[in-house]
Amino acid sequence: DTAVSQTPKYLVTQMGNDKSIKCEQNLGHDTMYWYKQDSKKFLKIMFSYNNKELIINETVPNRFSPKSPDKAHLNLHINSLELGDSAVYFCASSQVRAEGFLNEQFFGPGTRLTVL
Amino acid sequence: AQTVTQSQPEMSVQEAETVTLSCTYDTSESNYYLFWYKQPPSRQMILVIRQEAYKQQNATENRFSVNFQKAAKSFSLKISDSQLGDTAMYFCAFSGGGSQGNLIFGKGTKLSVKP
Repeated sequence: DTAVSQTPKYLVTQMGNDKSIKCEQNLGHDTMYWYKQDSKKFLKIMFSYNNKELIINETVPNRFSPKSPDKAHLNLHINSLELGDSAVYFCASSQVRAEGFLNEQFFGPGTRLTVL
Repeated sequence: AQTVTQSQPEMSVQEAETVTLSCTYDTSESNYYLFWYKQPPSRQMILVIRQEAYKQQNATENRFSVNFQKAAKSFSLKISDSQLGDTAMYFCAFSGGGSQGNLIFGKGTKLSVKP
């Protein structure tokens, strides 16, 4: 069974369009994340949700809006896509331990977004 | 702010030999986790090994081991008996304590294992 899944895996779209990437985890974790991997392979946190509450929102344009309908899902909606949004977007999940430390994060397969 | 530095953008090793990838980090926290992730051409992020900062013993997972030097803030990965399937990008990552827990990644080292 897939632990963290993302759809779609590839997304090609025109500038100015609005698109969404979906993420689901079946690990029972309480924290989910979105990371962006740029063309130089650098990975950076975008958002983090714990029990459906936003806890991290890095300096990301407000065209990006995460939505967590429940603990198992964290979707990413992007408005007015720009060329610079082209990247691979990874969803991940983890479980916060009682003492505040975390288990390792499990990553989805990534979504390669290409904006033309 | 925490930072993670991987000073080797690319490395290569012959099959069956040993290679060490370097990682240093900067933090003022006393409790934290360190990780090495592997990203093969399939782009899947795969956890290789993890180390809790409060544990003095270096973590080991089969052919993979770390040299964790807390005072020096160094966390290198040693791959023994390298295999062709080890060819991948390797990312060192830091996670602090607290409820946030996001990973802070280094820029990665591209490892090529040659036959």
